[in-house]
Amino acid sequence: GENVEQHPSTLSVQEGDSAVIKCTYSDSASNYFPWYKQELGKGPQLIIDIRSNVGEKKDQRIAVTLNKTAKHFSLHITETQPEDSAVYFCAASNALGYSTLTFGKGTMLLVSP
Amino acid sequence: NAGVTQTPKFRILKIGQSMTLQCTQDMNHNYMYWYRQDPGMGLKLIYYSVGAGITDKGEVPNGYNVSRSTTEDFPLRLELAAPSQTSVYFCASRPGTSGWGSYNEQFFGPGTRLTVL
Repeated sequence: GENVEQHPSTLSVQEGDSAVIKCTYSDSASNYFPWYKQELGKGPQLIIDIRSNVGEKKDQRIAVTLNKTAKHFSLHITETQPEDSAVYFCAASNALGYSTLTFGKGTMLLVSP
Repeated sequence: NAGVTQTPKFRILKIGQSMTLQCTQDMNHNYMYWYRQDPGMGLKLIYYSVGAGITDKGEVPNGYNVSRSTTEDFPLRLELAAPSQTSVYFCASRPGTSGWGSYNEQFFGPGTRLTVL
């Protein structure tokens, strides 16, 4: 089955800095890579996703890059704000099947004012 | 739309007790999922359903059972609670069948925090 590794497990940055979270996956059949944000006491919420036919996707301050050859993908957050503090999960799936997601273990991002 | 709702929010069980975690979605989604989240371990898939009457095991199904009699409801049953089942449980749903697009976004409920003592 799929295995997703996520690093780092914790990340502390100053407000305004950039943050990068990296994930690797093992199954070359995976073709859909979402990122979820989980705030304290809440369920995860999708913030951005990328398909295997795209190398990069941006949405305002967040972007995701994908390197299919190396089987890794990354989340980039620019101009971080205190409200970006949360746990971020990467995931992978084969979107053309039943699309069950395999999640990484999560990264706790702390943005200090 | 209320989205995905879960009850109860918190529960303490004694070893060997049974309980059902309730999950309901009002978005007419075909797919529903149950995950457990342990500290530092991400989300692990317990069971999922691709439509009413159809369920399948995920990565960690032992000790749990599910049923899907309607599109809206997907309850998770713990028959003989064990301390290893102490966790936060999330239900999720998504629309569509398979393929690209927003069909792949999973919408999560607020979770149920379960402690087994």
